[in-house]
Amino acid sequence: DQQVKQNSPSLSVQEGRISILNCDYTNSMFDYFLWYKKYPAEGPTFLISISSIKDKNEDGRFTVFLNKSAKHLSLHIVPSQPGDSAVYFCAASAWSGAGSYQLTFGKGTKLSVIP
Amino acid sequence: GAVVSQHPSRVICKSGTSVKIECRSLDFQATTMFWYRQFPKQSLMLMATSNEGSKATYEQGVEKDKFLINHASLTLSTLTVTSAHPEDSSFYICSARDLKPTGGLNKQYFGPGTRLTVT
Repeated sequence: DQQVKQNSPSLSVQEGRISILNCDYTNSMFDYFLWYKKYPAEGPTFLISISSIKDKNEDGRFTVFLNKSAKHLSLHIVPSQPGDSAVYFCAASAWSGAGSYQLTFGKGTKLSVIP
Repeated sequence: GAVVSQHPSRVICKSGTSVKIECRSLDFQATTMFWYRQFPKQSLMLMATSNEGSKATYEQGVEKDKFLINHASLTLSTLTVTSAHPEDSSFYICSARDLKPTGGLNKQYFGPGTRLTVT
Protein backbone atom coordinates (compact mmCIF):
# COMPACT_ATOMS: atom_id res chain seq x y z
CA ASP A 1 0.00 0.00 0.00
CA GLN A 2 1.68 3.15 -1.25
CA GLN A 3 1.07 5.89 1.29
CA VAL A 4 2.97 8.49 -0.69
CA LYS A 5 2.36 8.53 -4.41
CA GLN A 6 4.17 10.29 -7.19
CA ASN A 7 2.15 9.32 -10.21
CA SER A 8 4.42 10.83 -12.83
CA PRO A 9 7.62 8.81 -13.19
CA SER A 10 9.14 11.44 -15.45
CA LEU A 11 8.74 15.04 -16.55
CA SER A 12 10.46 17.08 -19.24
CA VAL A 13 10.51 20.86 -19.11
CA GLN A 14 12.16 23.54 -21.20
CA GLU A 15 14.84 25.61 -19.52
CA GLY A 16 13.39 28.80 -18.04
CA ARG A 17 9.88 27.39 -17.74
CA ILE A 18 8.13 26.19 -14.62
CA SER A 19 8.49 22.60 -13.38
CA ILE A 20 5.61 21.25 -11.32
CA LEU A 21 6.07 17.97 -9.51
CA ASN A 22 3.10 16.42 -7.78
CA CYS A 23 2.68 14.18 -4.78
CA ASP A 24 -0.37 12.63 -3.12
CA TYR A 25 -0.61 10.93 0.24
CA THR A 26 -3.18 8.81 1.98
CA ASN A 27 -2.14 8.80 5.64
CA SER A 28 -3.82 11.63 7.54
CA MET A 29 -1.25 11.21 10.34
CA PHE A 30 1.47 12.74 8.19
CA ASP A 31 2.28 16.17 9.56
CA TYR A 32 5.47 17.17 7.81
CA PHE A 33 6.43 16.90 4.17
CA LEU A 34 9.77 17.10 2.45
CA TRP A 35 11.18 17.11 -1.04
CA TYR A 36 14.52 15.52 -1.80
CA LYS A 37 16.64 15.69 -4.91
CA LYS A 38 18.68 12.70 -5.95
CA TYR A 39 21.38 12.21 -8.56
CA PRO A 40 22.29 8.70 -9.79
CA ALA A 41 24.38 6.65 -7.35
CA GLU A 42 24.09 9.36 -4.71
CA GLY A 43 21.99 9.73 -1.60
CA PRO A 44 19.04 12.13 -1.59
CA THR A 45 19.67 15.71 -0.55
CA PHE A 46 17.10 17.77 1.26
CA LEU A 47 15.49 20.49 -0.84
CA ILE A 48 12.53 22.03 0.93
CA SER A 49 9.90 21.10 3.48
CA ILE A 50 6.52 22.18 4.73
CA SER A 51 4.66 21.66 7.96
CA SER A 52 1.02 20.63 7.89
CA ILE A 53 0.08 23.91 9.56
CA LYS A 54 1.15 25.82 6.45
CA ASP A 55 -0.03 25.74 2.88
CA LYS A 56 3.00 27.26 1.22
CA ASN A 57 6.73 27.47 1.75
CA GLU A 58 9.15 29.26 -0.54
CA ASP A 59 12.91 29.08 -0.83
CA GLY A 60 14.44 30.84 -3.80
CA ARG A 61 13.32 29.14 -6.99
CA PHE A 62 11.57 26.38 -5.08
CA THR A 63 8.05 26.59 -3.67
CA VAL A 64 6.09 23.80 -2.07
CA PHE A 65 2.32 23.95 -1.84
CA LEU A 66 0.25 21.80 0.49
CA ASN A 67 -3.47 21.12 0.12
CA LYS A 68 -4.40 19.15 3.21
CA SER A 69 -8.03 18.59 2.27
CA ALA A 70 -6.93 17.00 -1.00
CA LYS A 71 -3.92 15.31 0.61
CA HIS A 72 -1.82 16.75 -2.16
CA LEU A 73 1.40 18.66 -2.37
CA SER A 74 3.40 20.03 -5.23
CA LEU A 75 6.87 21.37 -5.83
CA HIS A 76 7.26 24.30 -8.20
CA ILE A 77 10.65 25.19 -9.66
CA VAL A 78 10.81 28.56 -11.39
CA PRO A 79 12.74 29.12 -13.56
CA SER A 80 13.90 25.59 -14.31
CA GLN A 81 17.59 25.12 -15.01
CA PRO A 82 19.48 22.21 -16.59
CA GLY A 83 21.16 21.56 -13.24
CA ASP A 84 17.75 20.80 -11.77
CA SER A 85 17.66 17.59 -13.80
CA ALA A 86 17.46 14.82 -11.20
CA VAL A 87 15.01 12.48 -9.51
CA TYR A 88 12.79 14.25 -7.01
CA PHE A 89 11.36 12.32 -4.09
CA CYS A 90 8.41 13.43 -2.07
CA ALA A 91 8.51 12.27 1.56
CA ALA A 92 6.08 12.47 4.43
CA SER A 93 6.79 12.24 8.10
CA ALA A 94 4.81 10.97 11.05
CA TRP A 95 5.65 10.01 14.57
CA SER A 96 6.28 6.28 14.69
CA GLY A 97 5.50 3.88 17.50
CA ALA A 98 9.22 3.32 17.94
CA GLY A 99 9.57 6.82 19.31
CA SER A 100 10.96 8.58 16.31
CA TYR A 101 9.83 10.33 13.19
CA GLN A 102 9.90 8.14 10.10
CA LEU A 103 9.97 9.22 6.51
CA THR A 104 7.82 7.51 3.89
CA PHE A 105 8.97 8.13 0.35
CA GLY A 106 7.22 8.22 -2.97
CA LYS A 107 8.76 6.47 -5.98
CA GLY A 108 10.21 9.65 -7.35
CA THR A 109 9.81 11.72 -10.49
CA LYS A 110 12.67 12.10 -12.91
CA LEU A 111 12.89 15.71 -14.05
CA SER A 112 14.72 16.54 -17.24
CA VAL A 113 15.27 20.21 -17.99
CA ILE A 114 16.02 20.71 -21.65
CA PRO A 115 18.39 23.57 -22.56
CA GLY B 1 25.34 21.34 5.39
CA ALA B 2 25.59 18.22 7.47
CA VAL B 3 27.56 15.36 5.95
CA VAL B 4 26.91 11.64 6.19
CA SER B 5 29.43 9.23 4.75
CA GLN B 6 29.08 5.59 3.80
CA HIS B 7 31.78 3.04 3.25
CA PRO B 8 32.24 1.26 0.97
CA SER B 9 30.51 3.02 -1.92
CA ARG B 10 30.50 -0.16 -3.95
CA VAL B 11 31.08 -3.79 -3.05
CA ILE B 12 30.92 -7.06 -4.91
CA CYS B 13 30.85 -10.23 -2.88
CA LYS B 14 30.28 -13.92 -3.37
CA SER B 15 27.07 -15.59 -2.35
CA GLY B 16 27.22 -16.84 1.24
CA THR B 17 29.67 -14.24 2.51
CA SER B 18 28.90 -11.31 4.82
CA VAL B 19 29.33 -7.65 4.05
CA LYS B 20 29.55 -4.73 6.47
CA ILE B 21 28.51 -1.21 5.49
CA GLU B 22 29.47 1.75 7.66
CA CYS B 23 27.52 4.95 8.06
CA ARG B 24 29.04 7.96 9.76
CA SER B 25 27.75 11.41 10.58
CA LEU B 26 30.81 13.58 10.08
CA ASP B 27 29.97 16.92 11.60
CA PHE B 28 27.01 16.29 13.85
CA GLN B 29 25.71 13.82 16.39
CA ALA B 30 22.86 11.53 15.53
CA THR B 31 20.89 9.58 18.10
CA THR B 32 18.90 7.99 15.31
CA MET B 33 20.09 6.51 12.06
CA PHE B 34 17.98 4.88 9.38
CA TRP B 35 18.80 2.24 6.82
CA TYR B 36 17.04 2.23 3.49
CA ARG B 37 17.14 -0.01 0.47
CA GLN B 38 16.35 1.08 -3.05
CA PHE B 39 15.61 -1.11 -6.04
CA PRO B 40 15.82 0.37 -9.56
CA LYS B 41 12.99 2.81 -10.29
CA GLN B 42 11.54 2.21 -6.87
CA SER B 43 11.17 4.26 -3.76
CA LEU B 44 13.54 4.20 -0.83
CA MET B 45 12.22 1.53 1.49
CA LEU B 46 12.96 1.86 5.17
CA MET B 47 14.57 -1.29 6.52
CA ALA B 48 15.26 -0.35 10.11
CA THR B 49 15.60 2.47 12.58
CA SER B 50 18.71 2.45 14.70
CA ASN B 51 18.95 4.26 18.01
CA GLU B 52 22.31 4.75 19.66
CA GLY B 53 22.88 2.27 22.45
CA SER B 54 19.75 0.24 21.87
CA LYS B 55 18.48 -2.45 19.54
CA ALA B 56 17.35 -1.49 16.08
CA THR B 57 13.69 -1.51 15.15
CA TYR B 58 13.09 -3.42 11.94
CA GLU B 59 10.30 -2.86 9.47
CA GLN B 60 7.90 -5.65 8.68
CA GLY B 61 9.37 -8.17 6.33
CA VAL B 62 13.00 -7.31 7.07
CA GLU B 63 14.94 -10.17 8.65
CA LYS B 64 16.83 -8.88 11.66
CA ASP B 65 19.14 -11.91 11.71
CA LYS B 66 20.10 -11.27 8.13
CA PHE B 67 20.54 -7.52 8.34
CA LEU B 68 22.48 -6.88 11.54
CA ILE B 69 22.53 -3.28 12.67
CA ASN B 70 24.84 -1.85 15.28
CA HIS B 71 24.68 1.79 16.41
CA ALA B 72 27.55 1.93 18.85
CA SER B 73 28.09 5.68 18.98
CA LEU B 74 26.42 8.96 18.12
CA THR B 75 28.31 9.11 14.85
CA LEU B 76 28.50 5.52 13.61
CA SER B 77 26.03 2.84 12.59
CA THR B 78 26.84 -0.35 10.71
CA LEU B 79 24.72 -2.66 8.61
CA THR B 80 25.98 -6.20 8.11
CA VAL B 81 24.36 -8.29 5.41
CA THR B 82 24.96 -11.84 6.54
CA SER B 83 25.12 -14.83 4.22
CA ALA B 84 24.42 -12.60 1.27
CA HIS B 85 22.48 -13.90 -1.72
CA PRO B 86 22.02 -12.42 -5.21
CA GLU B 87 18.57 -11.14 -4.24
CA ASP B 88 20.25 -8.95 -1.62
CA SER B 89 21.91 -6.99 -4.43
CA SER B 90 20.63 -3.47 -4.09
CA PHE B 91 21.48 0.13 -3.28
CA TYR B 92 21.66 0.64 0.49
CA ILE B 93 21.39 4.16 1.85
CA CYS B 94 21.81 5.27 5.43
CA SER B 95 20.45 8.42 6.94
CA ALA B 96 21.19 10.24 10.18
CA ARG B 97 19.02 12.59 12.15
CA ASP B 98 20.69 15.62 13.66
CA LEU B 99 20.50 15.65 17.43
CA LYS B 100 19.98 19.41 17.42
CA PRO B 101 16.87 20.70 15.73
CA THR B 102 17.40 23.44 13.18
CA GLY B 103 14.72 26.10 13.26
CA GLY B 104 12.70 23.81 15.48
CA LEU B 105 12.73 21.01 12.95
CA ASN B 106 14.94 17.97 12.88
CA LYS B 107 16.47 17.27 9.53
CA GLN B 108 17.51 13.93 8.20
CA TYR B 109 20.69 13.71 6.17
CA PHE B 110 21.47 10.92 3.75
CA GLY B 111 24.66 9.15 2.91
CA PRO B 112 25.76 8.64 -0.70
CA GLY B 113 24.69 5.01 -0.67
CA THR B 114 26.41 1.65 -1.13
CA ARG B 115 25.90 -0.46 -4.22
CA LEU B 116 25.98 -4.12 -3.20
CA THR B 117 26.29 -6.80 -5.85
CA VAL B 118 26.20 -10.42 -4.77
CA THR B 119 27.46 -12.89 -7.36
